[in-house]
Amino acid sequence: DAKTTQPTSMDCAEGRAANLPCNHSTISGNEYVYWYRQIHSQGPQYIIHGLKNNETNEMASLIITEDRKSSTLILPHATLRDTAVYYCIVRVAGGTSYGKLTFGQGTILTVHP
Amino acid sequence: EAGVVQSPRYKIIEKKQPVAFWCNPISGHNTLYWYRQNLGQGPELLIRYENEEAVDDSQLPKDRFSAERLKGVDSTLKIQPAELGDSAVYLCASSPRTGKKDGYTFGSGTRLTVV
Repeated sequence: DAKTTQPTSMDCAEGRAANLPCNHSTISGNEYVYWYRQIHSQGPQYIIHGLKNNETNEMASLIITEDRKSSTLILPHATLRDTAVYYCIVRVAGGTSYGKLTFGQGTILTVHP
Repeated sequence: EAGVVQSPRYKIIEKKQPVAFWCNPISGHNTLYWYRQNLGQGPELLIRYENEEAVDDSQLPKDRFSAERLKGVDSTLKIQPAELGDSAVYLCASSPRTGKKDGYTFGSGTRLTVV
């Protein structure tokens, strides 16, 4: 699976949009971009994923650049409960390596009142 | 939906003792995973099951770790004997049959402390 690079930490004011970047310059054509987050003392939680089109769900939006070498997770109105470690992961959609999530260090997002 | 259930939530043992963790995946999820998360690090895959078959155990330290998933539902991860370096959070996750692109669902994990 391709390697990802994320900032170590970010801050955001409550109610503002949180934009979390991720670089994945070696991503392959059959690899999806996934985002998970992990709140303290809990297991990782799936947020969203995409291949090349922008995606939106009830939790967040995912913007993937046209060359697919980077993406941004957007939390439109951050709350204190969004304080967590956010992981960007690229993962193949099939084959023998399917099913393995390779987590990096992630980005520690702190939402301030 | 109950989610992925793990027990115990916390475990403290002395080194060289055995320990076991239990996981009950989401009903109908054929794929089950065990991950280990060291302090300050992201989770790392130990083993993946498709039904009762271990299809990826390349990262499982087989000299002391073992896992089973009898009947393709619940799973148990065992360490015998435990070492100080095994202190970590052990996470179980499940997902629908391989081929689906949806995300996994993780349990809350078992925090193991070896003293």
